[in-house]
Amino acid sequence: SQQGEEDPQALSIQEGENATMNCSYKTSINNLQWYRQNSGRGLVHLILIRSNEREKHSGRLRVTLDTSKKSSSLLITASRAADTASYFCATDARDSSYKLIFGSGTRLLVRP
Amino acid sequence: EAGVAQSPRYKIIEKRQSVAFWCNPISGHATLYWYQQILGQGPKLLIQFQNNGVVDDSQLPKDRFSAERLKGVDSTLKIQPAKLEDSAVYLCASSLVMFSSYNEQFFGPGTRLTVL
Repeated sequence: SQQGEEDPQALSIQEGENATMNCSYKTSINNLQWYRQNSGRGLVHLILIRSNEREKHSGRLRVTLDTSKKSSSLLITASRAADTASYFCATDARDSSYKLIFGSGTRLLVRP
Repeated sequence: EAGVAQSPRYKIIEKRQSVAFWCNPISGHATLYWYQQILGQGPKLLIQFQNNGVVDDSQLPKDRFSAERLKGVDSTLKIQPAKLEDSAVYLCASSLVMFSSYNEQFFGPGTRLTVL
């Protein structure tokens, strides 16, 4: 079963707007990662946030982590058409063998 | 730096046939993963190797799926016999760090399997 669940399942915004997607998980984690998947292509790692971190930035990306609520959010600022993709959160469970468990993803459409 | 290579990119077979996928990870990456991604879902880990040893294969349907990583470099994933529900994209990924989840996984383009 998948640990992370993204919300919303789909999001459509205008170019230049901000996009926020959320991820909830069930068990304690060491870290949480976000990946992007463009249509027909493999996944690309975006950012990793450790369990002792609350916020992290990378370019136009901002990730927050609330371990008390077992949730994370990914904010993409000033979105571009090229940001159109599916976004997945992935968690490692502390009782797992270092594997990542992916959520079901948020499909983002950025309209030009 | 070359990325993770996978072949073939597409495969169409009939149910009960066999199929094999090949993956060549990034040079020097000790950890190799095979994922199954069904349409509309996130990737699900099938098997994880550290060098040529299996670390986790708890979600691999061992009655029909098998995987090997001889010499700790490239890997093959086989399905025999295939079922309709095996239709999915099979992703291979690799990572540099061993025995740690604090590592970025690099994914190949995947093989899209259609079972008719």
